Amino acid sequence: QLQLQESGPGLVKPSETLSLTCTVSGGSISSSSYYWGWIRQPPGKGLEWIGSIYYSGSTYYNPSLKSRVTISVDTSKNQFSLKLSSVTAADTAVYYCARPLAAAGPFDPWGQGTLVTVSS
Amino acid sequence: QSALTQPASVSGSPGQSITISCTGTSSDVGGYNYVSWYQQHPGKAPKLMIYEVSNRPSGVPDRFSGSKSGNTASLTISGLQAEDEADYYCSSYTSSSTLDVVFGGGTKLTVL
Repeated sequence: QLQLQESGPGLVKPSETLSLTCTVSGGSISSSSYYWGWIRQPPGKGLEWIGSIYYSGSTYYNPSLKSRVTISVDTSKNQFSLKLSSVTAADTAVYYCARPLAAAGPFDPWGQGTLVTVSS
Repeated sequence: QSALTQPASVSGSPGQSITISCTGTSSDVGGYNYVSWYQQHPGKAPKLMIYEVSNRPSGVPDRFSGSKSGNTASLTISGLQAEDEADYYCSSYTSSSTLDVVFGGGTKLTVL
């Protein structure tokens, strides 16, 4: 059974780069037809898609975040990663990694989520 | 402001049926059969309940059903149970610019 687990710093300073990793277990990240994605949820608010990546490396980003987002895959570690640059307090959120069945979802399963706070 | 519009809250008694609506446009909900619904309990990750408007993943009770009419999708839960109390989010593919995914603002379901 596929399982996903996020990891990374819980506190990031404004203007710096947020970096998170999602470790996949129970399956190979490089299996054909697999996409991988990131979604975030500010405290007390709704969900926002950040972006998705195909196992081959093709990426799809939320147009509102595209200039600051990079998603990549490390097949040797069975992981994929998120980098979000020039963060502000508005980027404070629980960040989830998930597997979209296609580039735009649906998303299943999800990781447990990790809270990232942007503060000096 | 979320791209898809959901009621902030709905409620129902055990055994009853409730419906949550999700209203978008012809560029998202109305234009594609790529509407999904997620259930989220407090402090937990969302769980996929419905995909492609009306399909249930394995393990989701058949009390949960989805439908769509025009630019509005709906999630119906019949035989309401206490454990159904949660937040529910709809999502849709959208082609308003490039490939994009939009979510609703979420609906809090209270089981009375």
